Amino acid sequence: DGGITQSPKYLFRKEGQNVTLSCEQNLNHDAMYWYRQDPGQGLRLIYYSQIVNDFQKGDIAEGYSVSREKKESFPLTVTSAQKNPTAFYLCASSGVLAGGETQYFGPGTRLLVL
Amino acid sequence: AQSVSQHNHHVILSEAASLELGCNYSYGGTVNLFWYVQYPGQHLQLLLKYFSGDPLVKGIKGFEAEFIKSKFSFNLRKPSVQWSDTAEYFCAVNAPNAGKSTFGDGTTLTVKP
Repeated sequence: DGGITQSPKYLFRKEGQNVTLSCEQNLNHDAMYWYRQDPGQGLRLIYYSQIVNDFQKGDIAEGYSVSREKKESFPLTVTSAQKNPTAFYLCASSGVLAGGETQYFGPGTRLLVL
Repeated sequence: AQSVSQHNHHVILSEAASLELGCNYSYGGTVNLFWYVQYPGQHLQLLLKYFSGDPLVKGIKGFEAEFIKSKFSFNLRKPSVQWSDTAEYFCAVNAPNAGKSTFGDGTTLTVKP
């Protein structure tokens, strides 16, 4: 059953702590993306990756980091530098990094800061 | 830079009413346009998309959208909504080979039975 999995579904972070959100896809897609979804603000792009070992900053990359060591995996680390990390995080993938490709989304991870 | 504007944040309709959700974008060149939908408790998924050709595109569940280049618009329509259409709807745009899409803020549609 092909798709995108994200874990965990809920994640709690203490002040000053780094946390890593997992994203795995078995769609054999080249491109992967991380978005942040806040009420009334739509989806904002954090980072995206075209191919393995390469990634670019999106519109709100500050306080986040990513890696792309494998085609199927694109983990996102929310660092202590991110001042307002409480949000819903969505991972997506698409076949190629061309404009016309549909993005497929995971179920999301909700991050809460304690 | 690309930007997308969705005119309504929350729309409330009764079943069988007609729907039109506005989407305008700002980008001077060729664009690809998308509507995504997020039903309660489900993944965000594609509703329909426009790349080229016929500006009136049809998607799943009876939805359609019309690309009007002169107005930079890609409005979503459905002639008769159902309670099951209750969801959040996102318009998105990207330029071919841009590598990334820009999403609007979303419109929450509530359909009353």
